[in-house]
Amino acid sequence: KNQVEQSPQSLIILEGKNCTLQCNYTVSPFSNLRWYKQDTGRGPVSLTIMTFSENTKSNGRYTATLDADTKQSSLHITASQLSDSASYICVVSARDSNYQLIWGAGTKLIIKP
Amino acid sequence: SQTIHQWPATLVQPVGSPLSLECTVEGTSNPNLYWYRQAAGRGLQLLFYSVGIGQISSEVPQNLSASRPQDRQFILSSKKLLLSDSGFYLCALDHGQPYEKLFFGSGTQLSVL
Repeated sequence: KNQVEQSPQSLIILEGKNCTLQCNYTVSPFSNLRWYKQDTGRGPVSLTIMTFSENTKSNGRYTATLDADTKQSSLHITASQLSDSASYICVVSARDSNYQLIWGAGTKLIIKP
Repeated sequence: SQTIHQWPATLVQPVGSPLSLECTVEGTSNPNLYWYRQAAGRGLQLLFYSVGIGQISSEVPQNLSASRPQDRQFILSSKKLLLSDSGFYLCALDHGQPYEKLFFGSGTQLSVL
């Protein structure tokens, strides 16, 4: 069964600190992996998208990594800011099923001043 | 630039009542349109998608239906709401290859009591 699991469920860190969020997936055949940021009460916004051949991609202070062999991805946030408080969702696209997206439940990140 | 309008932002409805949620798109034409539902602590679930006027694909059999009467209008409906219909409903769009670059609206939080 195609699944995306994220850890931790929630995380609290102090402003200015770094953090890493984890994503494990069992989706096959794999097409691409995305990370979205979702502010409370808003729709998700795309941060990064990586295909099988890419093992790292950055978007400002956000850096995503992908290990297609172990089916793991991580999202690293550097020098966190209060505006980084949000849910971060890992999404994997399957090459069959019309490239449908399998969504993780997200990690809720809270940045404290 | 493209914009998705969803209203209302919050809705409280009794069990057994009807539902109509509207999604209107501006700044683009011929989009693929999607309805997603996000339950608390769960990943996004695709409900319906449409590649054109009158063309609706249903992903989850349930008491919800969708219609696309105009190119930039997508409507989600129910004749009788269930408690399990509670959730955060998101309209999204993209162009060309489905699920390629989803752009989300701000969502409607529906509580069925």
